[in-house]
Amino acid sequence: AQKITQTQPGMFVQEKEAVTLDCTYDTSDPSYGLFWYKQPSSGEMIFLIYQGSYDQQNATEGRYSLNFQKARKSANLVISASQLGDSAMYFCAMREVSGSARQLTFGSGTQLTVLP
Amino acid sequence: DSGVTQTPKHLITATGQRVTLRCSPRSGDLSVYWYQQSLDQGLQFLIHYYNGEERAKGNILERFSAQQFPDLHSELNLSSLELGDSALYFCASSPRGDTKETQYFGPGTRLLVL
Repeated sequence: AQKITQTQPGMFVQEKEAVTLDCTYDTSDPSYGLFWYKQPSSGEMIFLIYQGSYDQQNATEGRYSLNFQKARKSANLVISASQLGDSAMYFCAMREVSGSARQLTFGSGTQLTVLP
Repeated sequence: DSGVTQTPKHLITATGQRVTLRCSPRSGDLSVYWYQQSLDQGLQFLIHYYNGEERAKGNILERFSAQQFPDLHSELNLSSLELGDSALYFCASSPRGDTKETQYFGPGTRLLVL
C-alpha cells in the first residue's frame, strides 16, 4: 500500500528566505507520480508541482522546486524567496501509475508560516 | 481558479438528514474524484468516476453514494448523516491525455452536521 509521510507538522521561515518541506513515500510500484498542493486558510487546494518517478531532472515551477531522491524515496519541496502569501498548509501526494487506481494518497501536511 | 466548480460552498444540516453535493469538472475533463478532508482522518479518497462509470472506491461509507451524469457533472449523496461526517468535501478533475494526470481541485463544500 502507498504511504506518504510528512514529519513536520509546522514550519516557520523568514520572508525572502528559502524553506524545505519534507516528504517521504513508500510504494512497491516502480512507476508513480508525486505532487505537492498548497491549501491556504481559505480552504482551496492548489496544485504546485509534479515529479514523475522516471523523470531524470528535478521538477521546477517558478519559486517551487522538488528535491527528488529516488533511492531515499523522498520528494522534498523547496520554496525559494518566501513570501507572506506562502503561509499555508502544504500537502505531498502520490499516485501510482502502473495500476488501475488513479486516486491520490496524501500526507498529513505541513503548516508553513512566513514571518515578516 | 482551477475551473472545477462545487456547490454549495457551505452546508449546515442535522443528524439523520440527507444532502447532495454537486461538482462540475473542468471543461473536457472526463475524470471526477471525490475526497473528504477531516481533522482526524486528513484527506481521504472516496470515489472516482470516468466518463460516467465508477472506476475506483476508497474509504466511502455505505451511507454515501455518487454518480457522474452524461454532461460529466457529478453528485455525492450523503445520507443518515452523523456528527462525524462534518468535513470539507472536495471534488477534483483530471485532463484526458495528460500523462501526469494532475488533479485540479474545486473550492470544496464545507459540511457541518449538528
